[in-house]
Amino acid sequence: DSGVTQTPKHLITATGQRVTLRCSPRSGDLSVYWYQQSLDQGLQFLIQYYNGEERAKGNILERFSAQQFPDLHSELNLSSLELGDSALYFCASSVSTGGVDTEAFFGQGTRLTVV
Amino acid sequence: LAKTTQPISMDSYEGQEVNITCSHNNIATNDYITWYQQFPSQGPRFIIQGYKTKVTNEVASLFIPADRKSSTLSLPRVSLSDTAVYYCLVGPTSGTYKYIFGTGTRLKVLA
Repeated sequence: DSGVTQTPKHLITATGQRVTLRCSPRSGDLSVYWYQQSLDQGLQFLIQYYNGEERAKGNILERFSAQQFPDLHSELNLSSLELGDSALYFCASSVSTGGVDTEAFFGQGTRLTVV
Repeated sequence: LAKTTQPISMDSYEGQEVNITCSHNNIATNDYITWYQQFPSQGPRFIIQGYKTKVTNEVASLFIPADRKSSTLSLPRVSLSDTAVYYCLVGPTSGTYKYIFGTGTRLKVLA
């Protein structure tokens, strides 16, 4: 158990809908990262937050948004969903802004299926 | 960020030692090298990290030559449960760092 909690584990929704994925980082970790992994694809970095502020942005679509709350949990909002958004969405946390010597701990992911 | 190159896939047999090499020709002075392991439908898990020479922990060893332009992850006596994707990451120890994962090396351990 990495200590990072993601909910829900599975989510099935229809095209055009909006969903919210939730991540609770490990206790004490200030950084949260979001990743998307499509079937048999690599991990695509989406966005990073540190202590409530956006720190780095990857290939995140405009239909997607995220935020980190004062209690450090984070939410990833996906709207106007398309079939191609079906993927595993991972959240990770680390104690600092994320120098590579800081280990990142990953949650078990949320499997999103858009039908 | 230093670009990394790894073999796409490797096969091995149970009990053998597996070495996975990662090339990172433009590694910077303050960059560390980190390896993660990912099982299907699970999040990646930290394996080992190093800066130079050799690092060993309970699951793997990491060999880094003096020029640091490559690194080799060594898994001793692999078992079927070591079948996974292995990612090499290179990045700085400070500042804002995005954990950018490449395509990784898909290791398949055969009985």
